[in-house]
Amino acid sequence: KNEVEQSPQNLTAQEGEFITINCSYSVGISALHWLQQHPGGGIVSLFMLSSGKKKHGRLIATINIQEKHSSLHITASHPRDSAVYICAVTSPLYSGGGADGLTFGKGTHLIIQP
Amino acid sequence: DTGVSQDPRHKITKRGQNVTFRCDPISEHNRLYWYRQTLGQGPEFLTYFQNEAQLEKSRLLSDRFSAERPKGSFSTLEIQRTEQGDSAMYLCASLLIGTDTQYFGPGTRLTVL
Repeated sequence: KNEVEQSPQNLTAQEGEFITINCSYSVGISALHWLQQHPGGGIVSLFMLSSGKKKHGRLIATINIQEKHSSLHITASHPRDSAVYICAVTSPLYSGGGADGLTFGKGTHLIIQP
Repeated sequence: DTGVSQDPRHKITKRGQNVTFRCDPISEHNRLYWYRQTLGQGPEFLTYFQNEAQLEKSRLLSDRFSAERPKGSFSTLEIQRTEQGDSAMYLCASLLIGTDTQYFGPGTRLTVL
């Protein structure tokens, strides 16, 4: 069982729709990251959260520490939002990479159709 | 462009050959990470350096894998006697201690025939 679970694995939506991607984890964390990966491999960091909510343009990320759950929302989705969205956590209870090491979910493959 | 570069971007090799990948991090970043990503999966941690010291290696890093960061700047990842199971995207990321964000390179896609 993956330590960081994302849902859905795949999501196809129409342009303009409100998108929600979910992430859950099983142990205490120091931070949660949302990352975007475009075809070809490059990964870009979108958000780092340790509590509450953050907003950047049309992207909103929330985290509920008690429920060990985070969501990434995209408002007014656009075809250029099509990418893989990856949730990752840093935790002293997950191995790999020292204090800043990332443990990744499998990603959500999002396609926004015009 | 995140400022982290990797070379080559693609490598096709035959089983049994050795390959070497290079990562150039953002110049002032003292931590450098290597990850491996197979199709349909998230990245998995391989190893990381703080300056020139290799501080941790994953159990995924068999003895055929070796990584160096000789001057605390660029890093190389070598795979000896490649196997088909080594086919993956190899990602490098760098971070400045005290900050929260890892900056990823574009990756090297390895195909072992």
